[in-house]
Amino acid sequence: DGGITQSPKYLFRKEGQNVTLSCEQNLNHDAMYWYRQDPGQGLRLIYYSQIVNDFQKGDIAEGYSVSREKKESFPLTVTSAQKNPTAFYLCASSITGPWPQHFGDGTRLSIL
Amino acid sequence: QKEVEQNSGPLSVPEGAIASLNCTYSDRGSQSFFWYRQYSGKSPELIMSIYSNGDKEDGRFTAQLNKASQYVSLLIRDSQPSDSATYLCAVTPSNNNDMRFGAGTRLTVKP
Repeated sequence: DGGITQSPKYLFRKEGQNVTLSCEQNLNHDAMYWYRQDPGQGLRLIYYSQIVNDFQKGDIAEGYSVSREKKESFPLTVTSAQKNPTAFYLCASSITGPWPQHFGDGTRLSIL
Repeated sequence: QKEVEQNSGPLSVPEGAIASLNCTYSDRGSQSFFWYRQYSGKSPELIMSIYSNGDKEDGRFTAQLNKASQYVSLLIRDSQPSDSATYLCAVTPSNNNDMRFGAGTRLTVKP
């Protein structure tokens, strides 16, 4: 089955630690996205990538980093510079441009 | 002004009624519009896409788009308790490179 796989489902971060959230898709989509969702709020864009080896900052990129070395993979690192990382993180992909995005099941990140 | 605005709700309707969800957007050049449903604790799932002015129907769902008024809506006919969820409006801005989401409207359908 084609889809987007995010792992882990739950993640805990210690003070001063960097953590990496995985996102893999087998839909052959060119574009991939990372969003953050806080309770009762909409989705805020962290980073997106339209093609391999290229990515752009979204509205809340500070404290996060990404890479796009393969078309299928778009990992997100939450660095220690992100002081309030507790949130629901969603990865999405789309064919390109204006086409609808499809989401993975998300990763819940909490601070220990 | 937020890029995409929705009434946060909660919106409560009785089972079998029509639920009407509204969304306005600020980028007049936006071309693509989407409605997602998000159950509590789950990821959003796409339920409707609309690209041109007018109505688009899919089963019990109808999306309506008015670009002149920068307004998009979702009607859910014969609402069921299983429709209880948060509905997110999403708009692709004129640069077509990403998608902007509203904060969502929480819908409760009471049996």
